[in-house]
Amino acid sequence: DAGVTQSPTHLIKTRGQQVTLRCSPKSGHDTVSWYQQALGQGPQFIFQYYEEEERQRGNFPDRFSGHQFPNYSSELNVNALLLGDSALYLCASSWRAKEAGNTIYFGEGSWLTVV
Amino acid sequence: SQQGEEDPQALSIQEGENATMNCSYKTSINNLQWYRQNSGRGLVHLILIRSNEREKHSGRLRVTLDTSKKSSSLLITASRAADTASYFCATGLNFGNEKLTFGTGTRLTIIP
Repeated sequence: DAGVTQSPTHLIKTRGQQVTLRCSPKSGHDTVSWYQQALGQGPQFIFQYYEEEERQRGNFPDRFSGHQFPNYSSELNVNALLLGDSALYLCASSWRAKEAGNTIYFGEGSWLTVV
Repeated sequence: SQQGEEDPQALSIQEGENATMNCSYKTSINNLQWYRQNSGRGLVHLILIRSNEREKHSGRLRVTLDTSKKSSSLLITASRAADTASYFCATGLNFGNEKLTFGTGTRLTIIP
């Protein structure tokens, strides 16, 4: 059973460029969330996708956008990259059940460096 | 912004000793999860404890939750070199909710 997979693992972009990161959730999971983790910090919630719609959003500008596909995989897009966008981007997946609390699984992340 | 704080920020112990990390949070929660992160890697889920639970065990891990004090602790017994990592607590607020709010992490170093 494959866990959460993310691509690419590392990438370097120039300021002002755009980047797309990809995530495939764990088998059986239907909800994907994205987090940004700056060096030395805890992860910060960007947004969450369920049923191909953005359901929750953290305190991130509109330059950050996403998409979820019918097979539950997801993309994170960041436009007009800034140096401060350099971080580890983590994808998390879970099953949107009604009962209290779900284990949330994370991928290995995509390291983005903006120069 | 971060929901809470882990304490201590860094901890170094000898292999075989027990390691205790604490987490405090600010708002009412539905559940609290602990994760491990090896340097530059993804987060590995360790244990989930719900707000109506006070203690949970998983192998060498013991987690406690005190909702009246808004705090949790993670105990790792008989530490091993492979336990060297950063440990984060993360809180979830709602039923079926998948948004987690993370603390700042504790950097644990096990000295062989």
